[in-house]
Amino acid sequence: GQQLNQSPQSMFIQEGEDVSMNCTSSSIFNTWLWYKQDPGEGPVLLIALYKAGELTSNGRLTAQFGITRKDSFLNISASIPSDVGIYFCAGRERGQGAQKLVFGQGTRLTINP
Amino acid sequence: DAGVIQSPRHEVTEMGQEVTLRCKPISGHDYLFWYRQTMMRGLELLIYFNNNVPIDDSGMPEDRFSAKMPNASFSTLKIQPSEPRDSAVYFCASSFPTGERSGANVLTFGAGSRLTVL
Repeated sequence: GQQLNQSPQSMFIQEGEDVSMNCTSSSIFNTWLWYKQDPGEGPVLLIALYKAGELTSNGRLTAQFGITRKDSFLNISASIPSDVGIYFCAGRERGQGAQKLVFGQGTRLTINP
Repeated sequence: DAGVIQSPRHEVTEMGQEVTLRCKPISGHDYLFWYRQTMMRGLELLIYFNNNVPIDDSGMPEDRFSAKMPNASFSTLKIQPSEPRDSAVYFCASSFPTGERSGANVLTFGAGSRLTVL
C-alpha cells in the first residue's frame, strides 16, 4: 500500500535542542495526524490536523498542515529525555475511504543527556 | 476507559501452527482496524471493520490470514498456517467516525501483540 515519505529516518540530538521532522505525499491529503510510539507500546496520538494551513500546538509540540495538502511537519521545542521514541505521520487521502489511514515510516528520535 | 485491549502481548510459535490474536476495542467506537508493523514495511493496514462488518480487507496478505468481528466488543485475527515471515507486531486500533473535526480517523491503538514464528 501507499506510504508517506517521512524524514529524517532518525535523529540524534542533545537535550534542550529543537527538533523538526516532516512528511510528504504525492497525492492530496485531507487529514494529517502525528503519533508517537514508545518501546513496546502502540502509537499514541499527539496532534490532529484537518485543514490546509492549520497550525496546532500541544505543549512543546507544534504541527502544521501544508498549504499544498501534500505535506506536514512536526516541531518539538526544547527536547527532554521523555521525547525519545518513534514519531509517525499518518494521513488520509482525499477521496479514499473515510477511515483509511496511511503511515509514514517513522522518525526515531534519540536524545543525549 | 481501559483503552484498546490486545492479547496475547507476546506469542512465540512454530511454523505451521495456528495463531489467534484478540482485540477488545474501546466501548462506543464502531470502527476497528488491524495493522501489522515490521522494520521493513512499517505500519500496514490489514483490514478494518465498521459496525462489525469488514469494509476493506485489501491489505490482508494472503488467504492464510483471516479476521472476524462477531460483536462490537471483540475481534480476532487468525493466521493459519503461520510462517516465519509473519513475525511482526500486530496492532488493533479503534475509532469513532463522525465528521472531520470530531476526532474521526483518530485511531486509538492497543499495545500490540508481538508474534514470532520460528
